[in-house]
Amino acid sequence: EAGVTQFPSHSVIEKGQTVTLRCDPISGHDNLYWYRRVMGKEIKFLLHFVKESKQDESGMPNNRFLAERTGGTYSTLKVQPAELEDSGVYFCASSLGQSPYEQYFGPGTRLTVT
Amino acid sequence: AQSVTQLGSHVSVSEGALVLLRCNYSSSVPPYLFWYVQYPNQGLQLLLKYTSAATLVKGINGFEAEFKKSETSFHLTKPSAHMSDAAEYFCAVRRQGAQKLVFGQGTRLTINP
Repeated sequence: EAGVTQFPSHSVIEKGQTVTLRCDPISGHDNLYWYRRVMGKEIKFLLHFVKESKQDESGMPNNRFLAERTGGTYSTLKVQPAELEDSGVYFCASSLGQSPYEQYFGPGTRLTVT
Repeated sequence: AQSVTQLGSHVSVSEGALVLLRCNYSSSVPPYLFWYVQYPNQGLQLLLKYTSAATLVKGINGFEAEFKKSETSFHLTKPSAHMSDAAEYFCAVRRQGAQKLVFGQGTRLTINP
């Protein structure tokens, strides 16, 4: 069974540009989560989808971030326009059900904004 | 709000020595507790979890952790370190009924030969 995959693995963009990160959850997992780790800080929750609906987006930092999950399968996280402080590692996770089901994490996308 | 504190951003032990990674949490109600490990170029992998059953939890790769409510701690231990244990370890909590994980800052474990 394939795990959670994320694309790209690395992205380097200039300030003001747009970047779209993609996450493919484990097949059949209705729950999808985005987290972010800014350099030197803890991993922080961004948002949670149940199928195509946003269940909790309390961690989204501002309106430059837009997450979508069309059709309840893969998800994208767009940053537009990117700022220097957006640099970090963006993790995606998925779970079969809600708590206490385990969240399975992808390898992350390392975003560098210059 | 819940928070997690991992004491020591870097821990270095000799191969064969005891591994002790510390985690303290703040929560008014005992939450679910987790330890994740991230090996280089890989995603976070669940090592073990506490979900209000036995207070001593055994995980993969010989790791275990003990939930101590009186100390609000969930320290991770392994009796004998192996070179392959070198990685970054994250303690996390999740409030019962909630979905999001709250992570500590991580501890990078180095194993000396």
